[in-house]
This record gives sequence, structure tokens and C-alpha cells, in this order.
Amino acid sequence: GESVGLHLPTLSVQEGDNSIINCAYSNSASDYFIWYKQESGKGPQFIIDIRSNMDKRQGQRVTVLLNKTVKHLSLQIAATQPGDSAVYFCAENPLNGNKLVFGAGTILRVKS
Amino acid sequence: DTAVSQTPKYLVTQMGNDKSIKCEQNLGHDTMYWYKQDSKKFLKIMFSYNNKELIINETVPNRFSPKSPDKAHLNLHINSLELGDSAVYFCASSQGGRASQPQHFGDGTRLSIL
Repeated sequence: GESVGLHLPTLSVQEGDNSIINCAYSNSASDYFIWYKQESGKGPQFIIDIRSNMDKRQGQRVTVLLNKTVKHLSLQIAATQPGDSAVYFCAENPLNGNKLVFGAGTILRVKS
Repeated sequence: DTAVSQTPKYLVTQMGNDKSIKCEQNLGHDTMYWYKQDSKKFLKIMFSYNNKELIINETVPNRFSPKSPDKAHLNLHINSLELGDSAVYFCASSQGGRASQPQHFGDGTRLSIL
């Protein structure tokens, strides 16, 4: 697939297990964070976002955790399914500015 | 009912040519963006327009010229294409000029320079 040859961190999980994808962000003044999923041949698809006044937010099967002390963001996917296989990106909005800065991406592979 | 649509999906052309990529969104958003994704999947903002006004220009060569005829459209024209321009270009849109709302992306235009 498209991920062959990519030197991104890869997380391999068994179908049905929970997945945790981690992201370290750079700017302590960032106030908005967002996770995207990108499948092969598609554009990034919004999953969930969180503002800096929160430390946890839940969606359908997904949870985002924000630890401002160590500038760490994580995405938890419950009961991972084969359709969750994709590249996942975190992004931050530094200083309440007008652009998103994207992280490098993590490949999630789900084994059936 | 595609929210953000880009054309063409694939663009293969020779070095030195001039080409355009078009983007349209039907979400009623007032802000649109162009991103470049390289072979390592790194996504970087190039331009942003809010209500047809340029608000981000991220040190992109002036061979790249965005044009926003109205809030629903943002086109990208590239002059004198170079090998290093080969990448996937994504259009996105959001509401509000500050990037504090989810941006919705198109499916990309894969540009290959021969």
C-alpha cells in the first residue's frame, strides 16, 4: 500500500484491541488541537478536536487526552477495526493563530 | 454531496509548464487553504484566504499564485513547474479565519513532474 517505504512510526494492533496514538506538540501556548485520519488516496479526515481548557474529550469510539504539563496529546481508539488502518496526524494551533501545524503522522495497522 | 472538491485528481506534466488546480467547497465556510504533502506524508500550509483576502503566505515561491474569486473557490496556479513541485496538494476549508475550527480537506491533487 501507500505506506510502504514511509519511515513513520507504526503501531500494529490486533482487531478488537484498543489503540493509543501519541503526539508531542511543540508550543506551550497552543490552544487548539486536532486529530486527523488519512486513508490511502484520500484527504485528511477530521476525527476529534480539543481546546486547551480541557484535558479529555470523547467521541464515538475515540478519546483525545491533552497533557499540557508535558505537551502531550494522545488519541485512543476503542475496539480497533480494520477500517481504522490509516495514517493519523495530530495538529496544533500555536498562539491562537490562523494556521494549523501538523505532526509527522503515525501509521496504524490493524491485524485481523 | 462532496464538501471540498478539487480538480484534477491527477496531474502529470513536463518541467517548465504552467498548470492550475481548482478547489470548491459547498460548506458555506469563509476560509480556504492550500497544503502541500510531500513523499514523507508531511503536511505543510502554503496559503490561506479568509473572505477572499490572503491571510497566510508561507514563504512559498512566487511561481505559486493562489486566486480566490469568491468564498467558495480557491484556485492554485503554478508557473514554470520544477521537479521539486511533485507532491500531493490539498485544499481545505473552515469557518473563521483563526484555525480553531476543524478544517475539512479535499481528496488531493497528485502532481507529478516529468
